[in-house]
Amino acid sequence: AQTVTQSQPEMSVQDAETVTLSCTYDTSENNYYLFWYKQPPSRQMILVIRQEAYKQQNATENRFSVNFQKAAKSFSLKISDSQLGDTAMYFCAFMNPPDKLIFGTGTRLQVFP
Amino acid sequence: DTAVSQTPKYLVTQMGNDKSIKCEQNLGHDTMYWYKQDSKKFLKIMFSYNNKELIINETVPNRFSPKSPDKAHLNLHINSLELGDSAVYFCASSQVSGVNSPLHFGNGTRLTVT
Repeated sequence: AQTVTQSQPEMSVQDAETVTLSCTYDTSENNYYLFWYKQPPSRQMILVIRQEAYKQQNATENRFSVNFQKAAKSFSLKISDSQLGDTAMYFCAFMNPPDKLIFGTGTRLQVFP
Repeated sequence: DTAVSQTPKYLVTQMGNDKSIKCEQNLGHDTMYWYKQDSKKFLKIMFSYNNKELIINETVPNRFSPKSPDKAHLNLHINSLELGDSAVYFCASSQVSGVNSPLHFGNGTRLTVT
């Protein structure tokens, strides 16, 4: 069974600084997708970034980028120039189509002024 | 325009009652899901439907009965509510599983059973 592990329950960063959130996963599949979702205090689940396992190039979305290490089964999220609005729970998620999306336990990120 | 909308936003009820949560998506997606987020923020899938057909049922108690009258709607009915059912329930949809159609979530329904 696939599992997703986020080893950092909480992280904090000062605004304008860079922070990296860790995620590892376990699977025997070769074709899968990885996601980072953000859940601010409003409770809404917002897709931050996504990565196809067959692509070696790391995905980037503005200030958000990933470090995808397929052999190590690692998928970390880097947030550059952190902003107060980045304060949220961040969930790493794994999907082996057409199966379900499996979430990690989340990392609570606090951005301080 | 709300893509995935679920109602109600908050639901407070007593043990033993029966309640329903409704979900509608206007994205034209074929697949819809129910996820449960517990008090520790852990998100776990409960059900998924593709074109009104149940495709995933994650060993959820049979007090929980999803119903999909059409592919744009997936409602969740819960019988004989228990204290442990208190959680936030998220509806989501996707076109097909995969990166080109990630899940779009509703804003969640916070269910409190007293």
